[in-house]
Amino acid sequence: AQKITQTQPGMFVQEKEAVTLDCTYDTSDPSYGLFWYKQPSSGEMIFLIYQGSYDQQNATEGRYSLNFQKARKSANLVISASQLGDSAMYFCAMNVIKAAGNKLTFGGGTRVLVKP
Amino acid sequence: DAGVTQSPTHLIKTRGQQVTLRCSPKSGHDTVSWYQQALGQGPQFIFQYYEEEERQRGNFPDRFSGHQFPNYSSELNVNALLLGDSALYLCASSPQAGGLSTGELFFGEGSRLTVL
Repeated sequence: AQKITQTQPGMFVQEKEAVTLDCTYDTSDPSYGLFWYKQPSSGEMIFLIYQGSYDQQNATEGRYSLNFQKARKSANLVISASQLGDSAMYFCAMNVIKAAGNKLTFGGGTRVLVKP
Repeated sequence: DAGVTQSPTHLIKTRGQQVTLRCSPKSGHDTVSWYQQALGQGPQFIFQYYEEEERQRGNFPDRFSGHQFPNYSSELNVNALLLGDSALYLCASSPQAGGLSTGELFFGEGSRLTVL
């Protein structure tokens, strides 16, 4: 079974500063993927970034980067130059890459509030 | 290119009633998954459909059932509604081929169900 742990229930960040959201995972499967999603108050889960377990380099997507430390089983999200529109819930998730499907296991989320 | 679309966006039911939620996947996607997100929690996997068959199922009772149509759209049915079924129901779509290892998994805006 897979497990995702997000230990920060909520955090404040000053506009234009960087913020790191913590995520640790647990799985015995060697092939897996790690996702980060943003969920504003509207409810939609917005895909931010993906990291495969065999990817050699940390994933980056614009202002988002994923700090992947495989040995420590952590996949922290870094948001650079925070904007007011970044205020939302952020979820870390993972899937095990098997032929049976693409089921995601989610963490409990971290609420981010960006202050002007 | 339309993303994942869900209907209805909001609905209110009473205990014991039945509800049907609908999802149209992103163009080019043939696999549909459903998730339940209770207030303040991360989404929980309900089941996944591919080729009109249920491929994976999470820990949900038989009151939760689904269907996938030849055009890849899907329905989620919940019978004998309980107060605890109140949640945001999210649909996600992905391509079966390649989606497992590329992170191509996108969500709709969800259907918010309130059971009174």
